[in-house]
Amino acid sequence: TQLLEQSPQFLSIQEGENLTVYCNSSSVFSSLQWYRQEPGEGPVLLVTVVTGGEVKKLKRLTFQFGDARKDSSLHITAAQPGDTGLYLCAGGENNDMRFGAGTRLTVKP
Amino acid sequence: NAGVTQTPKFQVLKTGQSMTLQCAQDMNHEYMSWYRQDPGMGLRLIHYSVGAGITDQGEVPNGYNVSRSTTEDFPLRLLSAAPSQTSVYFCASTIRRGRRTGELFFGEGSRLTVL
Repeated sequence: TQLLEQSPQFLSIQEGENLTVYCNSSSVFSSLQWYRQEPGEGPVLLVTVVTGGEVKKLKRLTFQFGDARKDSSLHITAAQPGDTGLYLCAGGENNDMRFGAGTRLTVKP
Repeated sequence: NAGVTQTPKFQVLKTGQSMTLQCAQDMNHEYMSWYRQDPGMGLRLIHYSVGAGITDQGEVPNGYNVSRSTTEDFPLRLLSAAPSQTSVYFCASTIRRGRRTGELFFGEGSRLTVL
């Protein structure tokens, strides 16, 4: 059983569409991180959310941390082919960082 | 800037063989960790270290050993490789920030196949 459950597992959309992916847990986290991974490379940090209810925007990406600090979402507006990749959420305490299984996003031109 | 460097990038082993995956970072990060990535499983934590001389087990430590003799290096040893250890292995490092882990910097990965 994954500590962090991500949904959907796969998502294929057309360029210009909006999408939301989710990261849920039964545990409370002091912070959650979102990473993006491209084929053949290691994950790269997109954002860290630390306060319950926090919303952070990174250009067309909007990240939200749930009020109870158990879940998070990533919304992409007007998706582009360059957004294609594996999106991973991660959380943990005292440097024991755990990752969800990820959402594999494909944006078709 | 090198960041986190992993070697080798690819390796094929036979069942029962041993090998070491190397990881080095040049950012003076206290924290280093090893993950394995399998399809549909995400990244699973194998072992981690919060400083030289200190190591701890993660989620899936069985079959792997680590040591941390220097701040820069954190090798992962497979003592007797098994087909179940076929995976992509990632090393990561970060600065410790108390209870909260900072940004993890990952290497490019080492793809291991055990026949």
